[in-house]
Amino acid sequence: DADVTQTPRNRITKTGKRIMLECSQTKGHDRMYWYRQDPGLGLRLIYYSFDVKDINKGEISDGYSVSRQAQAKFSLSLESAIPNQTALYFCATSDIASTDTQYFGPGTRLTVL
Amino acid sequence: AQKVTQAQTEISVVEKEDVTLDCVYETRDTTYYLFWYKQPPSGELVFLIRRNSFDEQNEISGRYSWNFQKSTSSFNFTITASQVVDSAVYFCALSEADDQLTFGTGTRLTIIP
Repeated sequence: DADVTQTPRNRITKTGKRIMLECSQTKGHDRMYWYRQDPGLGLRLIYYSFDVKDINKGEISDGYSVSRQAQAKFSLSLESAIPNQTALYFCATSDIASTDTQYFGPGTRLTVL
Repeated sequence: AQKVTQAQTEISVVEKEDVTLDCVYETRDTTYYLFWYKQPPSGELVFLIRRNSFDEQNEISGRYSWNFQKSTSSFNFTITASQVVDSAVYFCALSEADDQLTFGTGTRLTIIP
């Protein structure tokens, strides 16, 4: 079984809808991250969390919110989706014991019409 | 601010040729970490290597090798005797003390059979 899972893997929605992307991990890592990938732009950090009580904004947090429900779960919400949020979204985890290397989930492809 | 530049947007080589992917970084920290990730056509991100700023020793793993040169702020990746399975987008990334990854925009490598 995969160590980092993301649901859904693909989602098509309409402008204005609320969307939640979920991430779960079995690696036992404390730190979790959400990124988005756009063609030609690489990956950009949206939010990150170093433990359950710690949430931090990344480079492009506007229009997004997150919830760290447990050490193993980190959800990303789009309160009112807009077309320019169409992208590939990745969750990642890391732990200081693993020398901070980030391990990524399989990604969620989100299309906002 | 930290920055990672992958000037090669796309590279195509014939199978069995060697190919080098360039990565140049900018940072003001003396302690930092450099990474390479592979994104095959299936879309997931696969961790390849992590290198800290105090270890300039080159590394070889099978057909893969990495050349870290602090004097030129470069962390280049060479694939020897390329294979079709090496076709992917490759990302170089940098993290500093805050453990946030800054990615380059990626290099799309195509291996022609």
